[in-house]
Amino acid sequence: KQEVTQIPAALSVPEGENLVLNCSFTDSAIYNLQWFRQDPGKGLTSLLLIQSSQREQTSGRLNASLDKSSGRSTLYIAASQPGDSATYLCAAMNSGYSTLTFGKGTMLLVSP
Amino acid sequence: GAGVSQSPSNKVTEKGKDVELRCDPISGHTALYWYRQSLGQGLEFLIYFQGNSAPDKSGLPSDRFSAERTGGSVSTLTIQRTQQEDSAVYLCASSLDRTAQYFGPGTRLTVL
Repeated sequence: KQEVTQIPAALSVPEGENLVLNCSFTDSAIYNLQWFRQDPGKGLTSLLLIQSSQREQTSGRLNASLDKSSGRSTLYIAASQPGDSATYLCAAMNSGYSTLTFGKGTMLLVSP
Repeated sequence: GAGVSQSPSNKVTEKGKDVELRCDPISGHTALYWYRQSLGQGLEFLIYFQGNSAPDKSGLPSDRFSAERTGGSVSTLTIQRTQQEDSAVYLCASSLDRTAQYFGPGTRLTVL
């Protein structure tokens, strides 16, 4: 059974810092991995999706990497802004399945 | 374009009552998913529909939970004889199957 872990559970940084959020998974037979953002009381917003054949994906100030052999993915946020404050979730889709297994998220606070 | 919509946004019910939650997926998306998000449990998969195939019900926590998808579009999640432990946010997502999943804003269910 796939298990997804996100460390740290919470992170507080000053505006302008570059930061890395970590996601690890126990079963390396994944089809893809997706990063989401969730604002308080809201649904999930898709940020990036990395296929198992890819090493990284970039969107604006966000860069996600994937290392299947070590069971790890990272989300890099450059030049953080207060508007980046939210909970970030990673989710793995295993090969042969179509549903996502989620981590419990990292709550990010970027202070001005 | 329109995203995934869910209704109602909030539902308060008494223990033992039945509730119906509705999801309208993104037009053209063949796959539809229901997840549940509760404190301490994170996001957990409930049920998955893909086209005309039989749904994957492996995540439903009990036989009080059921879902249907009419005409390959709108879906309804029904919880019978609600219990307090059913209180959670119920999230719906849609995709073009095994691609990025796009989530609705969720329905917050409170069982008194």
